[in-house]
Amino acid sequence: AQSVTQPDIHITVSEGASLELRCNYSYGATPYLFWYVQSPGQGLQLLLKYFSGDTLVQGIKGFEAEFKRSQSSFNLRKPSVHWSDAAEYFCAVGARGFSGGYNKLIFGAGTRLAVHP
Amino acid sequence: DAGVTQSPTHLIKTRGQHVTLRCSPISGHKSVSWYQQVLGQGPQFIFQYYEKEERGRGNFPDRFSARQFPNYSSELNVNALLLGDSALYLCASSFSPNTEAFFGQGTRLTVV
Repeated sequence: AQSVTQPDIHITVSEGASLELRCNYSYGATPYLFWYVQSPGQGLQLLLKYFSGDTLVQGIKGFEAEFKRSQSSFNLRKPSVHWSDAAEYFCAVGARGFSGGYNKLIFGAGTRLAVHP
Repeated sequence: DAGVTQSPTHLIKTRGQHVTLRCSPISGHKSVSWYQQVLGQGPQFIFQYYEKEERGRGNFPDRFSARQFPNYSSELNVNALLLGDSALYLCASSFSPNTEAFFGQGTRLTVV
């Protein structure tokens, strides 16, 4: 079955520290992979995506993620966290549908990030 | 540029009532998807429409239905509301199913 696991429900880091959020997926084919961020009561903002090609992808706000097929992982990283990064982060896999695209996103349960000053 | 817009932003309904949620995609986007996000969980896929045809359906009861209009806007309808339908309903649009999806701010539905 297709699924996404985010092992860490809650993470707290100090401002200026590095960050890594873990994401593991279960999917039978080459996946489309995404990271979204959600502030309280808000919609989801796309941070970055992986469709194919270079396995290290750069996103907005200084985030990057690395696709590792052998580990079925797509971990999100940031070298130096800012207080404004406090939010909930969701990893998602796009389940393939017709014509090579995807017809739905399967989300993990999310990781809530708190940032200490 | 306008992003994905959803209306209303909040609403309160009584059990057994019907509700219609609306979504306008980003200009030029032809695919719209709907997701339900219960508090403390990740979004769950409900429907995808592309070029006005249903392209995907999640594991939701028949009380949930949707449609896409010629201008690519979309409606999500939920009949016979249950307390468990209380959630944030998110709409996402993409140019096509091969491109990334952008989400609206959501509609917060409370069923009492």
